[in-house]
Amino acid sequence: DTAVSQTPKYLVTQMGNDKSIKCEQNLGHDTMYWYKQDSKKFLKIMFSYNNKELIINETVPNRFSPKSPDKAHLNLHINSLELGDSAVYFCASSPLGNEQYFGPGTRLTVT
Amino acid sequence: KQEVTQIPAALSVPEGENLVLNCSFTDSAIYNLQWFRQDPGKGLTSLLLIQSSQREQTSGRLNASLDKSSGRSTLYIAASQPGDSATYLCAPLGGNNAGNMLTFGGGTRLMVKP
Repeated sequence: DTAVSQTPKYLVTQMGNDKSIKCEQNLGHDTMYWYKQDSKKFLKIMFSYNNKELIINETVPNRFSPKSPDKAHLNLHINSLELGDSAVYFCASSPLGNEQYFGPGTRLTVT
Repeated sequence: KQEVTQIPAALSVPEGENLVLNCSFTDSAIYNLQWFRQDPGKGLTSLLLIQSSQREQTSGRLNASLDKSSGRSTLYIAASQPGDSATYLCAPLGGNNAGNMLTFGGGTRLMVKP
């Protein structure tokens, strides 16, 4: 059984488009996260939601808008995509302050 | 702001060697520290979690230690195997201005040769 799943796995799109990445966890965790891994492989937190409320927003451009319809889902919507948005985006979940479990990642390529 | 450094950045060893990966972090006010493994093109697999009150944690051939006051953690891999080849990432949770955030190091790329 997949604990943290993301769709799509790959996303290729043109500059200026709007796209969404979906994340679901079946672990019953209260907290979900989005991370970005750039071309140099550095991983950095973008957002964190606890019980559907935003608790971390790490100076991410407002073109990025997370949405949490319920505790098991945290989706990432990106407006007006730019070349620099190309990266691998990882979703994760955890009990608050505890071990985090990561999804398989979504590789976004903006052309 | 929490900063995490991992040394070495890359390591190549013959199969069977014991090895140590090092992680240092600047802010010792952490809740816990996680070690992850990442295979090429894949997600992160959690290997070990050490709570801030613990000194070490073991899982199979892996042993992670934590010296919170000095801002250091090590991951010891015993009797390395080719299947251990991956990038290993250290990530403390928290710090005075880091809240409930994981801050990642740049990783150590490990290659174990048969």
